[in-house]
Amino acid sequence: AQKVTQAQTEISVVEKEDVTLDCVYETRDTTYYLFWYKQPPSGELVFLIRRNSFDEQNEISGRYSWNFQKSTSSFNFTITASQVVDSAVYFCALSEPFISNFGNEKLTFGTGTRLTIIP
Amino acid sequence: NAGVMQNPRHLVRRRGQEARLRCSPMKGHSHVYWYRQLPEEGLKFMVYLQKENIIDESGMPKERFSAEFPKEGPSILRIQQVVRGDSAAYFCASSGRTSGGDQPQHFGDGTRLSIL
Repeated sequence: AQKVTQAQTEISVVEKEDVTLDCVYETRDTTYYLFWYKQPPSGELVFLIRRNSFDEQNEISGRYSWNFQKSTSSFNFTITASQVVDSAVYFCALSEPFISNFGNEKLTFGTGTRLTIIP
Repeated sequence: NAGVMQNPRHLVRRRGQEARLRCSPMKGHSHVYWYRQLPEEGLKFMVYLQKENIIDESGMPKERFSAEFPKEGPSILRIQQVVRGDSAAYFCASSGRTSGGDQPQHFGDGTRLSIL
C-alpha cells in the first residue's frame, strides 16, 4: 500500500525567511510520480510540480525548489524568501504506476502542512 | 483555456436528500477522478473514470454513492440519502494524453457540500 507522510502539521515563519516542507513516502512500486499541490485559503488546489521516479534531479522554479531523494524516500519542498501569498496548505501526493492507455493513476495524498507567513 | 469546471461551488442539502455534483474536465482530457476532503484532512481518492467506463472505484463507499462519465456531458458524482458525515469538499481532477505525453492531474475548485 502507498503512504505519504507530512509530519509537519503547521509551520509559521516570518516573511522573507526560507522554509522547507517535508514529505516522506512509501511504495513498493519502482515506477511512480510525486506531486506537490497548494491549497490557498480560497480552497482550490493548485498544481505545483510532478516528478517522475526515474528523475532525481533537483528542480528550481523561481522561489520554489524541490529535493527528491529516493534513498530516503523523500520529496521536500523549499520556499525561499517567503511571502505572505505563500500562506496555504501544501499537499504532497504519490501516484500508482501509470499503465499504458490509462494515463495517470489515482493519487495518495499526505495530510498537508499548513504554512503561515507572518508579515 | 478553461480548466476543470465543477458546479455547484457550494451545495446545501438536508439529511435524506440527494446530492449531484458535476465535473467537466479540461478540454482534451478523457480521464476524470473524484476525491473527497473531510474538514482539516487531506484528499482521499474515490473513483477514476474514463468516458462511459469506471476504471477504479476502490475508494467509493459501498452504499449511496455512484459516479458516471457519459459519452456526452459532464461527470456526475451522486450521493443518495445524504447524512451529516457526507459534509465535505469534493474535488474533481482530470488528466489526459497529448502529443507531449500524459498530463498531470489538474483539479477543479471543488464543491463544498453541507448537510443540515
